Amino acid sequence: KNEVEQSPQNLTAQEGEFITINCSYSVGISALHWLQQHPGGGIVSLFMLSSGKKKHGRLIATINIQEKHSSLHITASHPRDSAVYICAVSTNFGNEKLTFGTGTRLTIIP
Amino acid sequence: KAGVTQTPRYLIKTRGQQVTLSCSPISGHRSVSWYQQTPGQGLQFLFEYFSETQRNKGNFPGRFSGRQFSNSRSEMNVSTLELGDSALYLCASSPSAPNTEAFFGQGTRLTVV
Repeated sequence: KNEVEQSPQNLTAQEGEFITINCSYSVGISALHWLQQHPGGGIVSLFMLSSGKKKHGRLIATINIQEKHSSLHITASHPRDSAVYICAVSTNFGNEKLTFGTGTRLTIIP
Repeated sequence: KAGVTQTPRYLIKTRGQQVTLSCSPISGHRSVSWYQQTPGQGLQFLFEYFSETQRNKGNFPGRFSGRQFSNSRSEMNVSTLELGDSALYLCASSPSAPNTEAFFGQGTRLTVV
């Protein structure tokens, strides 16, 4: 069993829909990261969370440490949000060593 | 502020050759991590360097090695290339403080033929 599980693997939605991507992990973590990867490979860090909730524009990320679960929400989705969203956890306190989920491929149809 | 720069962006090598990839972190960042991304295995951690010292190593064979220079620039080397080493290699830099955000480069796409 992978240490980090994401669902769904693929998600197609209409423009404007509310999107939720889930991430569950089975190890103790120091932080959880949500990353975005567009075709071509570059990865952008969206959020780093150790507790609670963070919001940036139309993106919201939440984490429940007790349940070992995090969600990424996109409000008013847009075709430019189409990308692979990856959940990753830091397990080495003070060191940068990320363990990744398999990613969620999101496609927003105009 | 310049982002993380990886060179080269694309590389084609023959089985048995060796390759060196370079990563220049964001100015002031002292931690550099390397990751391999393949369709089958996804993203996997290779190693992390901080102040010229390897602090963490992933589960990869000894053919994969790296180093970091005093200016925080890092290189990774893969010797005796195998077809399965074809992948996107990403590096990420972060400041010295624990649990800080990682900034990724665009990656080097290595194809082994």
